[in-house]
Amino acid sequence: DQQVKQNSPSLSVQEGRISILNCDYTNSMFDYFLWYKKYPAEGPTFLISISSIKDKNEDGRFTVFLNKSAKHLSLHIVPSQPGDSAVYFCAASNAGNNRKLIWGLGTSLGVNP
Amino acid sequence: DTEVTQTPKHLVMGMTNKKSLKCEQHMGHRAMYWYKQKAKKPPELMFVYSYEKLSINESVPSRFSPECPNSSLLNLHLHALQPEDSALYLCASSRDRGWEKLFFGSGTQLSVL
Repeated sequence: DQQVKQNSPSLSVQEGRISILNCDYTNSMFDYFLWYKKYPAEGPTFLISISSIKDKNEDGRFTVFLNKSAKHLSLHIVPSQPGDSAVYFCAASNAGNNRKLIWGLGTSLGVNP
Repeated sequence: DTEVTQTPKHLVMGMTNKKSLKCEQHMGHRAMYWYKQKAKKPPELMFVYSYEKLSINESVPSRFSPECPNSSLLNLHLHALQPEDSALYLCASSRDRGWEKLFFGSGTQLSVL
C-alpha cells in the first residue's frame, strides 16, 4: 500500500516556465514532508521541507504548498532551468517514536531549453 | 563539511565473494543509514544506527551485515550475495534519529555476477 503517491511518473516543461510536481498521501499521522532531487547514479539531495503546521514554505525558486485537508502537497519551481532536470521524490515522516521517511515513487522532470 | 563520502563508487563481485562498503561523515551527525535503490524506484531503507547502536533493521537478509565502528563511520559487509542484490547502495546521515533531513552520499553501484 503506497502511503505517499506521486501519480505523474514524468513531466516535461519549457525553460523559464513553472514546473509543478504533485504528491498525495494517505496517512493523517504524517507531520513533516520533504522533497529530494536525484540525478542518475548519485544520492538524493535535500531540496525543501514543510511542517504540517504550515501551508507554504519558500526557498528561492522552490516553493512547497501543503493542503492538509486534501492530503496533498506540491512543489513549484519558478523559473525552471535545464539543470533542474532530475527525478524528484516526495517523502513524508510519521509522528511518534519510530519516525522514518516514507517515499513516493518519484517524478522525472525534464526541462527543455 | 556537509559531505557523506562513500567508497568504492563501483563494485563488481561474484556470489562467493566477501566485500565491504564504507561510509564516512564529519558533520557530527549521530544517526546513519543504509539504503538500497534500484533503477526508477525510491530508496529502500535497510538499517539505521543511532548513537552507534543499531536501531532499525528492516528485515534485511543476513548476507548484509552492518557495522558502526564509531560515530563517523558506517560499514556494510557483503557475503554470498545474489544477482538480485545488484543496486545502488546509499549511505545517509542526519543530525539525530528523529531528524528527517538526510544527507546522502553518492552511493556504491554494486553488480553481483
